[in-house]
Amino acid sequence: DTGVSQDPRHKITKRGQNVTFRCDPISEHNRLYWYRQTLGQGPEFLTYFQNEAQLEKSRLLSDRFSAERPKGSFSTLEIQRTEQGDSAMYLCASSLRSLASSYNEQFFGPGTRLTVL
Amino acid sequence: RKEVEQDPGPFNVPEGATVAFNCTYSNSASQSFFWYRQDCRKEPKLLMSVYSSGNEDGRFTAQLNRASQYISLLIRDSKLSDSATYLCVEGGYNKLIFGAGTRLAVHP
Repeated sequence: DTGVSQDPRHKITKRGQNVTFRCDPISEHNRLYWYRQTLGQGPEFLTYFQNEAQLEKSRLLSDRFSAERPKGSFSTLEIQRTEQGDSAMYLCASSLRSLASSYNEQFFGPGTRLTVL
Repeated sequence: RKEVEQDPGPFNVPEGATVAFNCTYSNSASQSFFWYRQDCRKEPKLLMSVYSSGNEDGRFTAQLNRASQYISLLIRDSKLSDSATYLCVEGGYNKLIFGAGTRLAVHP
């Protein structure tokens, strides 16, 4: 399978615990994005990387959230001191961005469903 | 006002029907738009890209009206397998901005 993969697919944790999610993008894609989706809503942008550089962070990304893409390949999203309001589907997407194209087709992984008790 | 707005539905249609969804966006400078399909508890999957006035792919036609700032998706000859949530997306240079989605239920 050469699509975007995410691990774990499901995570149940207690309030106050830290969690970390991993995303492996499509191998030739230089951009990687994190989104969050709650029931009945569309995905909301959190942050994105071009190669290893984190270029934009949403105001939704509080200081309890941190994302890394250390070698420009896989990425991790960590949530510290989880709250019940963090319960959501965390989606990762990747795209190939080049100077030749002004378009931004993104391909999503299966998501990590987080439940904070 | 939300950046991308859609009628949440649900649209309940019989097999074979033609159904159309509309979506409005607020950023007049936006250049690219997409329709994604999302099945229950699954990830969004790219259905169509809408770059100029519109495009067609089989039973699906997407149109873009820049003057009125809306995008439409037309599905002809609906199939049971078309039942899903359809997400209208404004594709900026970087992030995607999603509408809340329109639910479609196709029944026999």
